[in-house]
Amino acid sequence: ETGVTQTPRHLVMGMTNKKSLKCEQHLGHNAMYWYKQSAKKPLELMFVYSLEERVENNSVPSRFSPECPNSSHLFLHLHTLQPEDSALYLCASSQRTWDRGFLYSYEQYFGPGTRLTVT
Amino acid sequence: ELKVEQNPLFLSMQEGKNYTIYCNYSTTSDRLYWYRQDPGKSLESLFVLLSNGAVKQEGRLMASLDTKARLSTLHITAAVHDLSATYFCAVDPEILLLTQGGSEKLVFGKGTKLTVNP
Repeated sequence: ETGVTQTPRHLVMGMTNKKSLKCEQHLGHNAMYWYKQSAKKPLELMFVYSLEERVENNSVPSRFSPECPNSSHLFLHLHTLQPEDSALYLCASSQRTWDRGFLYSYEQYFGPGTRLTVT
Repeated sequence: ELKVEQNPLFLSMQEGKNYTIYCNYSTTSDRLYWYRQDPGKSLESLFVLLSNGAVKQEGRLMASLDTKARLSTLHITAAVHDLSATYFCAVDPEILLLTQGGSEKLVFGKGTKLTVNP
């Protein structure tokens, strides 16, 4: 496997189900991201993990729970979702470094996404 | 808060024509990225622009960065149908080592949906 992989690619779940999305990066990066992309809104950043610590949580409802067990893997645990949570969920990774006093995220590499439908 | 604005948001053009997509941003940065997204697919990296005056070209697309104007352009030359997609710019904001707060993330524009008609 190369690049960033995501499983499953498609997921249909009821509002009472619990499921998890998985992301794995094979690029040696030290930061991983979850994005949500729906038809009505532009790309929305949900969570950022840097060196396995969550450094950003953009006011995401608690029914979304991320987990980053190591720098290569990222999960998004889902429970009691709503129909408006149906969207394409994208995982990305990048190499974050300090350079001359500045922190840069560099280019993000995206996985193929999980198309989630909540019924 | 860093804002990234793309225009136009929708662009319909004929094959063979030229056009430019603009990406303006509101804070200092010398790192900007362009991505392409096909319908239902993920984002594919097109260009990485890492300094003022950077220009990159790939096929019929050329991207440039003017950090003083806080502006990047994506120029399309002699468009073909295969270029139909949504194009996003993303800005990497500078975060000072001693600065508290700030947002450690790429900030994306809303995207430009390009349709090239035969």
